[in-house]
Amino acid sequence: EPEVTQTPSHQVTQMGQEVILRCVPISNHLYFYWYRQILGQKVEFLVSFYNNEISEKSEIFDDQFSVERPDGSNFTLKIRSTKLEDSAMYFCASRTDAQDYNEQFFGPGTRLTVL
Amino acid sequence: SQQGEEDPQALSIQEGENATMNCSYKTSINNLQWYRQNSGRGLVHLILIRSNEREKHSGRLRVTLDTSKKSSSLLITASRAADTASYFCVGGKLTFGQGTILTVHP
Repeated sequence: EPEVTQTPSHQVTQMGQEVILRCVPISNHLYFYWYRQILGQKVEFLVSFYNNEISEKSEIFDDQFSVERPDGSNFTLKIRSTKLEDSAMYFCASRTDAQDYNEQFFGPGTRLTVL
Repeated sequence: SQQGEEDPQALSIQEGENATMNCSYKTSINNLQWYRQNSGRGLVHLILIRSNEREKHSGRLRVTLDTSKKSSSLLITASRAADTASYFCVGGKLTFGQGTILTVHP
């Protein structure tokens, strides 16, 4: 069964460093998403991406964040200068289309620890 | 945002018992989805119910939707220890509530 994959599973970085979190969505999916979950808190929407551009983003997704689909398979989230409060689990998801009738498929997540 | 809020926040039951979790949301939706998250792990889609459906079954799962009350319930029958997880409801745009933490004791 096709699945969304994410690498690395755990990333440790120093405050101020740049990190890139990688995702490989399901191959025939067209819409891509990033979410984060701070430990003990709810899952929060960050950004959605379609047709090589951001379609929607939350207040959390400020100028420190960027997303890219550099090739036909990867979908990346970059945090330019990490802060302690960026420590969280980051989930990638993909969907065949943006219709609300279709579910999103989530990856296993990348745990980001900022020291 | 179309946020789901789950109730109760925590539920503790014995294996074999049924578990019922409720969810309320604030705005109109086209569908409502339930997800499960095992501790520190990813999100697993359980079931989707559309706004024109009132009840849906999938294995030991039964979901109801009342659009007039903007509420949904998830029933897990004959619970197992492996059902221990957090359960989230999501409507429309994917924003999540805090979830219901279900603990099933063997």
